[in-house]
Amino acid sequence: AQSVTQPDIHITVSEGASLELRCNYSYGATPYLFWYVQSPGQGLQLLLKYFSGDTLVQGIKGFEAEFKRSQSSFNLRKPSVHWSDAAEYFCAVGAEGYSTLTFGKGTMLLVSP
Amino acid sequence: DGGITQSPKYLFRKEGQNVTLSCEQNLNHDAMYWYRQDPGQGLRLIYYSQIVNDFQKGDIAEGYSVSREKKESFPLTVTSAQKNPTAFYLCASSRRPEGNQPQHFGDGTRLSIL
Repeated sequence: AQSVTQPDIHITVSEGASLELRCNYSYGATPYLFWYVQSPGQGLQLLLKYFSGDTLVQGIKGFEAEFKRSQSSFNLRKPSVHWSDAAEYFCAVGAEGYSTLTFGKGTMLLVSP
Repeated sequence: DGGITQSPKYLFRKEGQNVTLSCEQNLNHDAMYWYRQDPGQGLRLIYYSQIVNDFQKGDIAEGYSVSREKKESFPLTVTSAQKNPTAFYLCASSRRPEGNQPQHFGDGTRLSIL
């Protein structure tokens, strides 16, 4: 079975600074990887996904993520954070032959002025 | 616009009472999912359905029940057997029940105990 680890529970970033949120997965074959964002009291919104091909994936709201097979990682990045990016971010993994996704426990992003 | 509608947004349950959370989608998706979200625990899968009239237990199905009589609808009942039902409940759907399919989420229902 696949698993996902998001090592950071909380991260605080200054507005305008760069951001990197970590995600490590465990799965023997090539995984399908997703990043979602959740604002308080809302559902999850898909930011980007990786299936195969180019390991650098572009998403919405200026986010990107890089798949690194050797490190079993799929870290989310943004060059310049805006106050509106404050939210909780979830990494998820899917796999061939499975009907469901496995979600990490989330990283809460706080943006300081 | 297509999407997933969860209702109500807030729900209160008395001790010993069953309550039902509604989830409707107009995306024509085959698969639907119910998650429970507690602070610091991420999303935990309660039940999922790959097709009409079929559903499977997730990781924390005890105290919950579901039905899938129509493709568009996947209601979740929180029974009195669920001793700690206070949580945020999220419904999701995907085009097909496969690991390469992104899931689309509703805006959730917050359930509290009176």
